[in-house]
Amino acid sequence: KQEVTQIPAALSVPEGENLVLNCSFTDSAIYNLQWFRQDPGKGLTSLLLIQSSQREQTSGRLNASLDKSSGRSTLYIAASQPGDSATYLCAVSHTRGYSTLTFGKGTMLLVSP
Amino acid sequence: DTEVTQTPKHLVMGMTNKKSLKCEQHMGHRAMYWYKQKAKKPPELMFVYSYEKLSINESVPSRFSPECPNSSLLNLHLHALQPEDSALYLCASSRTANTEAFFGQGTRLTVV
Repeated sequence: KQEVTQIPAALSVPEGENLVLNCSFTDSAIYNLQWFRQDPGKGLTSLLLIQSSQREQTSGRLNASLDKSSGRSTLYIAASQPGDSATYLCAVSHTRGYSTLTFGKGTMLLVSP
Repeated sequence: DTEVTQTPKHLVMGMTNKKSLKCEQHMGHRAMYWYKQKAKKPPELMFVYSYEKLSINESVPSRFSPECPNSSLLNLHLHALQPEDSALYLCASSRTANTEAFFGQGTRLTVV
């Protein structure tokens, strides 16, 4: 059974810092990995999707990397802003059986002014 | 347009009520999903529809009944719910299985 772990569970940083969120998964047979952002009580916003054949994806201040063989992904946020405060969820779409998303428990990020 | 629209945003219902949650997307996606999310937990998959057919039911109690009337709409019919069913219900869609998933803003359900 696929298990997804996110470290740290919570992170508090001052504005302007660069930061890294970590995601690991136990079964490397994945189609893709997706990073989401969730504001309190709201839905999920897709940030980046990395296909299993890719090593990284970039969108603005966000860069996500994938090392499928070691079962790891990182989300790098450059020059953090208070508006980045949210919970960040990592999810993998795996190939065994019918493919659905398996989520990690998320990293709660607080960026203080 | 990458929007998935869910209505209502908030719903309070009694344990004997019947209500429905609605989800709509116009991206031409052929896979649609219902997830349940409790506070401070990740989303849990409930149902998957692929090409308007139910593909996955994650052992969800029968008091939750999904329906996919056409490729753009997904409903979740609720009947005789329990207070522990109170949660954020999220709808998502993707072009097909294994492609990028887009989520709606959710319906906050409270069962009293």
